Amino acid sequence: SAVISQKPSRDICQRGTSLTIQCQVDSQVTMMFWYRQQPGQSLTLIATANQGSEATYESGFVIDKFPISRPNLTFSTLTVSNMSPEDSSIYLCSVTPGINQPQHFGDGTRLSIL
Amino acid sequence: AQSVTQPDIHITVSEGASLELRCNYSYGATPYLFWYVQSPGQGLQLLLKYFSGDTLVQGIKGFEAEFKRSQSSFNLRKPSVHWSDAAEYFCAVGVTGGYQKVTFGTGTKLQVIP
Repeated sequence: SAVISQKPSRDICQRGTSLTIQCQVDSQVTMMFWYRQQPGQSLTLIATANQGSEATYESGFVIDKFPISRPNLTFSTLTVSNMSPEDSSIYLCSVTPGINQPQHFGDGTRLSIL
Repeated sequence: AQSVTQPDIHITVSEGASLELRCNYSYGATPYLFWYVQSPGQGLQLLLKYFSGDTLVQGIKGFEAEFKRSQSSFNLRKPSVHWSDAAEYFCAVGVTGGYQKVTFGTGTKLQVIP
């Protein structure tokens, strides 16, 4: 299965700042997904990123708050903008290698906002 | 839209005992079903998946799950639990066809006591 690297693995940020999270895959994949996992909660899909097109956001998530880039088939970034303590979560990148294939996850970015 | 229910938030078992984690899904067609495990500080690891065919699927780490259409269930089992199995387990359902955008359950946290 694909090997997925996320950076940073964790960070502590100040309120009002922005952080960009990187997701690198060791093979070309069509679809990449970004999830948020709030403390003690399950995973909530933020958006789906397809190379060469705008990301598709789920209800409750907007591009101004969570801009996503997908410049090629092995890389994506998620920016968490104008952060507040409510943004303290684990952010996870996942990929699916093909149609009807399960998602594989990176180790996540643990983000704390002071 | 699909949904997943994991009725048990927390389960405690003794090491060496058998384990069954419950998962019920709601989906209008034949679902794609997954079990993932998340160890502390880690991302999600795929344990097993069901797409079609044999309703009893074998996964990694000695886990298995059985798809029961009549009960809309996909329960995870292991005959003998090891202390290293302590983690959080997520059941997920995906739409048939296309790239696997999945919906996750709320998770079951497994504690293993000696």
